[in-house]
Amino acid sequence: GENVEQHPSTLSVQEGDSAVIKCTYSDSASNYFPWYKQELGKRPQLIIDIRSNVGEKKDQRIAVTLNKTAKHFSLHITETQPEDSAVYFCAASGSYQLTFGKGTKLSVIP
Amino acid sequence: DTAVSQTPKYLVTQMGNDKSIKCEQNLGHDTMYWYKQDSKKFLKIMFSYNNKELIINETVPNRFSPKSPDKAHLNLHINSLELGDSAVYFCASSQDNPGGIRYEQYFGPGTRLTVT
Repeated sequence: GENVEQHPSTLSVQEGDSAVIKCTYSDSASNYFPWYKQELGKRPQLIIDIRSNVGEKKDQRIAVTLNKTAKHFSLHITETQPEDSAVYFCAASGSYQLTFGKGTKLSVIP
Repeated sequence: DTAVSQTPKYLVTQMGNDKSIKCEQNLGHDTMYWYKQDSKKFLKIMFSYNNKELIINETVPNRFSPKSPDKAHLNLHINSLELGDSAVYFCASSQDNPGGIRYEQYFGPGTRLTVT
């Protein structure tokens, strides 16, 4: 089955700096890569996703890049704000199921 | 209007008891899921149903039994609760079809189960 590794497990940045979270996956058949944000005590919510026919996708301060050959994908958050503080999960899915990484706790220090 | 709802939000019970968690979605999705999130925040899929049929059944003790009375509901019944069952359980739904294109999963608010 699919295995998703996510790094780092914790990340602290100063407000205004950029944050990068990296994931690798094992199943070359995976073709959908969403990122979820989970604030404390809340439900996971999709913030951005990318499919295997696209190398990069941006939405305001958030961008995701995908390298299918290396089986890597990354989340980039620019100009971080305190409200970006949360746990971020990457995930990978082929036709079977969505497998999540173990999460990255991002703390943005004002 | 809430898209995916779960009841109860909190559940405190003793070892050995049987309990149920209910989930409903009003998004018209065909696929629903149950996830377990442990104390380390790891999200692990437990079950997936498509059009009321079981699609995914991960390595979950058979004390856990999902039931889907219709496409909009997926309930989770747990027998003989154990301390290790303490976790947050999330229901989710999506437009996914088995073998087809994947779509966003919408999560419910979660049910925090505490077994004492």
